Amino acid sequence: GQNIDQPTEMTATEGAIVQINCTYQTSGFNGLFWYQQHAGEAPTFLSYNVLDGLEEKGRFSSFLSRSKGYSYLLLKELQMKDSASYLCAVVAGANNLFFGTGTRLTVIP
Amino acid sequence: DAGVIQSPRHEVTEMGQEVTLRCKPISGHDYLFWYRQTMMRGLELLIYFNNNVPIDDSGMPEDRFSAKMPNASFSTLKIQPSEPRDSAVYFCASSLWGDSNQPQHFGDGTRLSIL
Repeated sequence: GQNIDQPTEMTATEGAIVQINCTYQTSGFNGLFWYQQHAGEAPTFLSYNVLDGLEEKGRFSSFLSRSKGYSYLLLKELQMKDSASYLCAVVAGANNLFFGTGTRLTVIP
Repeated sequence: DAGVIQSPRHEVTEMGQEVTLRCKPISGHDYLFWYRQTMMRGLELLIYFNNNVPIDDSGMPEDRFSAKMPNASFSTLKIQPSEPRDSAVYFCASSLWGDSNQPQHFGDGTRLSIL
């Protein structure tokens, strides 16, 4: 089976840095995605990691440690529009994508 | 470039009725996925297709749910008969063929309420 854990909610201040953690236990691990989902909207792709290390993409970075079953999403220079849910999703097998329940981030002024 | 298109956006119906959700994937995408999202369980994969063929339907909750993909540009998810516990947001997503690193592109979802 698959088990994916993320904090339910986080709050951070505009302009700050926030790290959203994700731990997972899965068989047939084949990569990890982060998606952003604004309230009432569809999830949108942010990042993908399959090898250990950090992937940087503008204000967003994602890190993976396969041996520890751990990933994090780092958001820098937070903006109000970053208030959303952030979904960690693990690829198990060929194309099966298993999502965590998401972390709802609130950015405050 | 059009994204994944789902219809209807909202559906409210009484229990026992048949519900049909529709999806048009992004042109050229080989994979199509149906998900259900609830507050309690998050996003759950129901079924996915590759080149119009169902590959894994282990997430389909029970026989009341069925999905078809008659051609590369259209898929349906049916619930018959519907029950109040089926109330959720149903998302369709598509992706290109390839390694597992191909991101899935989601439609705007259908918000289903069964009374």
